[in-house]
Amino acid sequence: QKEVEQDPGPLSVPEGAIVSLNCTYSNSAFQYFMWYRQYSRKGPELLMYTYSSGNKEDGRFTAQVDKSSKYISLFIRDSQPSDSATYLCAMDNLYGNKLVFGAGTILRVKS
Amino acid sequence: DTEVTQTPKHLVMGMTNKKSLKCEQHMGHRAMYWYKQKAKKPPELMFVYSYEKLSINESVPSRFSPECPNSSLLNLHLHALQPEDSALYLCASSQIPRPGTLDGYTFGSGTRLTVV
Repeated sequence: QKEVEQDPGPLSVPEGAIVSLNCTYSNSAFQYFMWYRQYSRKGPELLMYTYSSGNKEDGRFTAQVDKSSKYISLFIRDSQPSDSATYLCAMDNLYGNKLVFGAGTILRVKS
Repeated sequence: DTEVTQTPKHLVMGMTNKKSLKCEQHMGHRAMYWYKQKAKKPPELMFVYSYEKLSINESVPSRFSPECPNSSLLNLHLHALQPEDSALYLCASSQIPRPGTLDGYTFGSGTRLTVV
């Protein structure tokens, strides 16, 4: 079993839709939860990070962490074609120095 | 400056060559990382430097040799690589993590390496 599971998609949605991206994990030591966006042939760009449980909102993006279920989510409101990319969840333990990534979900937003 | 800069962007090398990848950041981050990303796969950690000292080596073959000359620079020296080492090599930096705080875990755009 992988430490972090993420559906690779692709996920196709129309412009303006609400997108829900999810990851599950098995290691209860994880404390940092991050979402990265990666465009083709580019490095990952940090979108959101959360320490421990709870919700965090930044513009059109909302990150949620449910440690009791070992489940994290990223919601994108009013999705745009420019949001088309691969979205990677990443997690780390208390020391925060080693990220473990999910497989990445390919998102396609169609205009 | 909130960027991690990697050079070169592309590199083609033969299996007998010696080359180096370079990474630079001026955000005052004291933790720096090398990751390897194969096509359509997530990044995988190779090395971690904390305060310019190697703190994590994820059992990487010795043909990859990291170096951290100062707090802003990170190098990855390559020697006798194999074609299967072809990948996107990503550098990242962050503040030294503390419980409850992990600031600015930032990636560079990567070096796309092809070994022929």
